[in-house]
Amino acid sequence: NAGVMQNPRHLVRRRGQEARLRCSPMKGHSHVYWYRQLPEEGLKFMVYLQKENIIDESGMPKERFSAEFPKEGPSILRIQQVVRGDSAAYFCANKQGQNTEAFFGQGTRLTVV
Amino acid sequence: TQLLEQSPQFLSIQEGENLTVYCNSSSVFSSLQWYRQEPGEGPVLLVTVVTGGEVKKLKRLTFQFGDARKDSSLHITAAQPGDTGLYLCAGLTNFGNEKLTFGTGTRLTIIP
Repeated sequence: NAGVMQNPRHLVRRRGQEARLRCSPMKGHSHVYWYRQLPEEGLKFMVYLQKENIIDESGMPKERFSAEFPKEGPSILRIQQVVRGDSAAYFCANKQGQNTEAFFGQGTRLTVV
Repeated sequence: TQLLEQSPQFLSIQEGENLTVYCNSSSVFSSLQWYRQEPGEGPVLLVTVVTGGEVKKLKRLTFQFGDARKDSSLHITAAQPGDTGLYLCAGLTNFGNEKLTFGTGTRLTIIP
């Protein structure tokens, strides 16, 4: 997973606050995915972005969640007004292009208290 | 919605035994990947299979992609404690976009 940087690794937020999760993909990798994982469960797809474009957001909750991948800088997953049910590990994966392999970051563990 | 069911969900065996993990779907995938995830870490890619019927070997691990590209299996021979982890299969479709859909996971524990 070298090169796929997620920060912070751990994030604690009080209910109602905002959480911002960052993903810096490997150089030249323009496809970014965000996934959510609850303990002892698989990864649930949230959103797929290519530079500046959202390709598929079918896994994103309709409210409070948003994602972006600007031309410059990391991809951001933003959760507004967090609730306890948002507590999970959030993983970013990236790919160089179509039909290539996806590599994951180490994740951000969000805890809402 | 593509669903990938893995079985078994949990597996605990003695060191030295063999095991097989299954990944099944009713959907066709252009490729299928297997990952292993350690606690507190992100998934690490083990292998990608692309062609129906393809078999790939990675030391004691053997991966097979079904002829119809709807299912896959992972076989481990002479399991070792270092094989302990969460094994995830993930299918890729490229029918319009390239969404990677993950299976439900198999938690494997190898007892020394």
